[in-house]
Amino acid sequence: RKEVEQDPGPFNVPEGATVAFNCTYSNSASQSFFWYRQDCRKEPKLLMSVYSSGNEDGRFTAQLNRASQYISLLIRDSKLSDSATYLCVVNMRTSGSARQLTFGSGTQLTVLP
Amino acid sequence: SAVISQKPSRDICQRGTSLTIQCQVDSQVTMMFWYRQQPGQSLTLIATANQGSEATYESGFVIDKFPISRPNLTFSTLTVSNMSPEDSSIYLCSVGDRDQPQHFGDGTRLSIL
Repeated sequence: RKEVEQDPGPFNVPEGATVAFNCTYSNSASQSFFWYRQDCRKEPKLLMSVYSSGNEDGRFTAQLNRASQYISLLIRDSKLSDSATYLCVVNMRTSGSARQLTFGSGTQLTVLP
Repeated sequence: SAVISQKPSRDICQRGTSLTIQCQVDSQVTMMFWYRQQPGQSLTLIATANQGSEATYESGFVIDKFPISRPNLTFSTLTVSNMSPEDSSIYLCSVGDRDQPQHFGDGTRLSIL
């Protein structure tokens, strides 16, 4: 089983649609969680951190369910500029105080005019 | 967030040669990391670059193939040694303090002929 699993998509949605991505992680000791966005041939960029209470940033809402080891990202009112690959990222403690990021394989989103 | 510069941004190399990639940050950072992203894949951590000591390598990566230097808190290099076509990839450095999300340089696109 992969440490971080995502539906690869692709998700093709019309402008204005609401789309949700899901992600599961295997390590219950995981400490922190993020969604990154990666445009084609570009580096990943932090979209938002994910907190246990859930958090919202404009059209984007992220939620974390520690009991189910599940993270979600909801995008409302999709824009053409939202087209990208969305990476679910988990920061888990390894040995001692070291932590490392583990990346999901990404979910590809295309917003269509 | 820190400004991270990688050089070169891209290169085409002959098999059997080596290439050193530089990562410069505009502020002192505790943690620097090197990742690889092969075509169509997500990011895989190669190693953590430790200031003043040997890098910490992940499973499947060894110092002889990917020697890393980190002479200070703002600079690191990754060398890809004795390159083969399988090393064709994007190499990314990132920075991040212990509990914070990481931020990435814009990557080095490497092709080996």
